[in-house]
Amino acid sequence: DADVTQTPRNRITKTGKRIMLECSQTKGHDRMYWYRQDPGLGLQLIYYSFDVKDINKGEISDGYSVSRQAQAKFSLSLESAIPNQTALYFCATSGSGGPSYNEQFFGPGTRLTVL
Amino acid sequence: RKEVEQDPGPFNVPEGATVAFNCTYSNSASQSFFWYRQDCRKEPKLLMSVYSSGNEDGRFTAQLNRASQYISLLIRDSKLSDSATYLCVVNFVAGGTSYGKLTFGQGTILTVHP
Repeated sequence: DADVTQTPRNRITKTGKRIMLECSQTKGHDRMYWYRQDPGLGLQLIYYSFDVKDINKGEISDGYSVSRQAQAKFSLSLESAIPNQTALYFCATSGSGGPSYNEQFFGPGTRLTVL
Repeated sequence: RKEVEQDPGPFNVPEGATVAFNCTYSNSASQSFFWYRQDCRKEPKLLMSVYSSGNEDGRFTAQLNRASQYISLLIRDSKLSDSATYLCVVNFVAGGTSYGKLTFGQGTILTVHP
């Protein structure tokens, strides 16, 4: 079984709809992240969380919100989706100590299309 | 100026070739450096960390030049399976503490052909 899972894997929705993307991990990591990837722009950090009570904005948080329901779960919401939020979304996790704490492990991604 | 910049390519090379990718970063307080690999429509995966002394893992060699704020990745004896996007990744330090936030370059596309 995958260590970091994302649901749904693909979603097509309409402008103005509320969308939630879910992420779960079994790695026991404290830190979780949401990124979006657009062609030619690389990965951009949306939000990150270093533990259950910690939520931080990333580079491009406008139009998004997150919830860290438990250590293993981190969800991303688009309150009112717009077409320029069409992208590939990745969840990632990392540990908080030890020599490899900077390594991030990614989920398989969610391809979101907003019409 | 982007915080992490890479030549997007694409690099098209024959099997067996040696290819090198470069990356520059803007924040001199950067602490940790990595190369990730991303296959088409897949998630990024760590290829190797980059250490100040340089490091090698099989056919892959990574170098760091802190003075020039420059990172490189060398792939020797390219295989068809090396075809992917290679992401240069940097961990910036803020306030003397590393927060574990990574900044990704836009990636360099490599295609290895028979």
